[in-house]
Amino acid sequence: GAVVSQHPSRVICKSGTSVKIECRSLDFQATTMFWYRQFPKQSLMLMATSNEGSKATYEQGVEKDKFLINHASLTLSTLTVTSAHPEDSSFYICSARVPRSETQYFGPGTRLLVL
Amino acid sequence: AQTVTQSQPEMSVQEAETVTLSCTYDTSENNYYLFWYKQPPSRQMILVIRQEAYKQQNATENRFSVNFQKAAKSFSLKISDSQLGDTAMYFCALLYFGNEKLTFGTGTRLTIIP
Repeated sequence: GAVVSQHPSRVICKSGTSVKIECRSLDFQATTMFWYRQFPKQSLMLMATSNEGSKATYEQGVEKDKFLINHASLTLSTLTVTSAHPEDSSFYICSARVPRSETQYFGPGTRLLVL
Repeated sequence: AQTVTQSQPEMSVQEAETVTLSCTYDTSENNYYLFWYKQPPSRQMILVIRQEAYKQQNATENRFSVNFQKAAKSFSLKISDSQLGDTAMYFCALLYFGNEKLTFGTGTRLTIIP
């Protein structure tokens, strides 16, 4: 099956610092990856759609300057939370779409805690 | 706009029993896909089953099967012979053809009781 990894699995940082989260498709090339945010006991909220070689498409209300997304290769997308604040603490999940398929496979998520 | 509704926030069932999780949706599209994802306590989202709207036959994956009623816009998930490892949050999701974005329901928390 399609495998997606995320790194790190959890990170604690100080307010004002930047944090980078990596999302990799391990056994397939993903032209499209997605970044979600999940609050406790809630559903997933799509933040942005990341296409290889082009700028990410952000959902309404998501600050593109705060959540920088780069999809530099067909197997790697990164999310950088810039100048993180405690309200950015959350669970971030990426997914990747298998080419010629409508199915998204998800990474294991990254728990971010900003102190 | 499309919406996905899961009307059961929580459910519990004895181990080995059968349980059905409900999902209804609303879309004006005719070509779309429906998914059930499972999120166990590890929080890893796992694909359970998918259904193409143009297929009348209900999808099955081992102990998991769906009852897809296109006219009623209903997509329920049946788990047979439930196991402790089935304890998880279950999300129903909709994707219409030509779009890349999944629309998720609010989830049903399923607990399997030993």
